[in-house]
This record gives sequence, structure tokens and C-alpha cells, in this order.
Amino acid sequence: DQQVKQNSPSLSVQEGRISILNCDYTNSMFDYFLWYKKYPAEGPTFLISISSIKDKNEDGRFTVFLNKSAKHLSLHIVPSQPGDSAVYFCAGAAGNMLTFGGGTRLMVKP
Amino acid sequence: GAVVSQHPSRVICKSGTSVKIECRSLDFQATTMFWYRQFPKQSLMLMATSNEGSKATYEQGVEKDKFLINHASLTLSTLTVTSAHPEDSSFYICRRISNQPQHFGDGTRLSIL
Repeated sequence: DQQVKQNSPSLSVQEGRISILNCDYTNSMFDYFLWYKKYPAEGPTFLISISSIKDKNEDGRFTVFLNKSAKHLSLHIVPSQPGDSAVYFCAGAAGNMLTFGGGTRLMVKP
Repeated sequence: GAVVSQHPSRVICKSGTSVKIECRSLDFQATTMFWYRQFPKQSLMLMATSNEGSKATYEQGVEKDKFLINHASLTLSTLTVTSAHPEDSSFYICRRISNQPQHFGDGTRLSIL
């Protein structure tokens, strides 16, 4: 049973445009959500998080939106840059336990 | 700077070898560490939870005799892959609990020939 799903395995975006990465979850016990960026052969790097009591959190070029009724969250990156090319994982957190989605590979073309 | 140090970053060894991976908390004591495994193009799967001074808790399907976890001090947790075989080749990552649970090690790429 996949509690966190990222249905798009890959996404290609032109530099300067907006990248939107989506994530769906089923576990109502998650109390916050996180997005991580991962390069090959490296550990995940934390990007941004959002508490389950909020619907939006913004940090620079990164904004995360949470729709609790739809059990859906999304990460917006604007403007996208070639250095943003990586695999992005969303994760649901219940206490100290994280459950990860399968990841979305973002490719930002110059 | 890094707050979680994982070593080695890459290991290539023959089948049957046992491999030890270390995960150190650099800035404060960590009573709990998590060990994950990632297959190519797949998500990070939790293998086990390492608890200082007590036995690790393993996720369903993870062989505890195959993946030995030791958390003997508050700053060091180790994962030993015993008698490794090619199917154990993977990317292993540790994570430390902190105020925000975002502190991962840089991972260990294990390749068994």
C-alpha cells in the first residue's frame, strides 16, 4: 500500500518557466509534509516543508501547496533553472517517521 | 556543513564479503537513526530504526541477520551487510532525528561483484 504517490516519474521544463511537481497521499495521520531534492549518489537534501494545518508555504523560488481535502500537495519552482534538474521526493511525516513517494525526475532545459 | 557523516561513500567488493557502513551525528547526540535503501529509480525504503543501547527495529521483509545494526554510542550507528551478494547492491542512506527530520547522510553506494 503506497501511502505517498508521485504519479509522474519525470517532468521536462524550459528554463525560466514554472515547474510543478505533484504528490498524493492516503495517510491522514501525516502531520507535515516535506520535499527533498536528490542528485545521483548523494543523500536527499531538504527543500521545504509544510505543516498539515497550513495550505501554503513559500521559500524563495519554492512554494508548496497543500490541499488536505484532496490529500494532494504540489511543489512549484519558479523560475526554473538548469541547476534544479534532479529527482524530487515528497514525504509525509507522522512523528519522526517519513514515508517517501517514488520521486519525480525534473529536467530543466536551457 | 554536514551534520550527519556517512562513510564510506562507495564500496565495491566480492560476493560473500561483509561490509560495514558508518553513520555519525556530528553536532549532537542521536538516540535514534534510520537506515534506508534505495534501488535505482525507486523511492527510499525504510529498512530499520536504530536505537542507542537497544536492539534495532526492522521493517517487514528486512532480514535482521543479514543487515546488522549497532548503535553503541550516541553519535554512531553502523549497518553491516553480512555475506553480501549481488542482490544487496544498492544505495544505503542513514537519517538522524533532529528538530526537523531533514538530516540525511550522503549515502553509500554498495556494489557487490
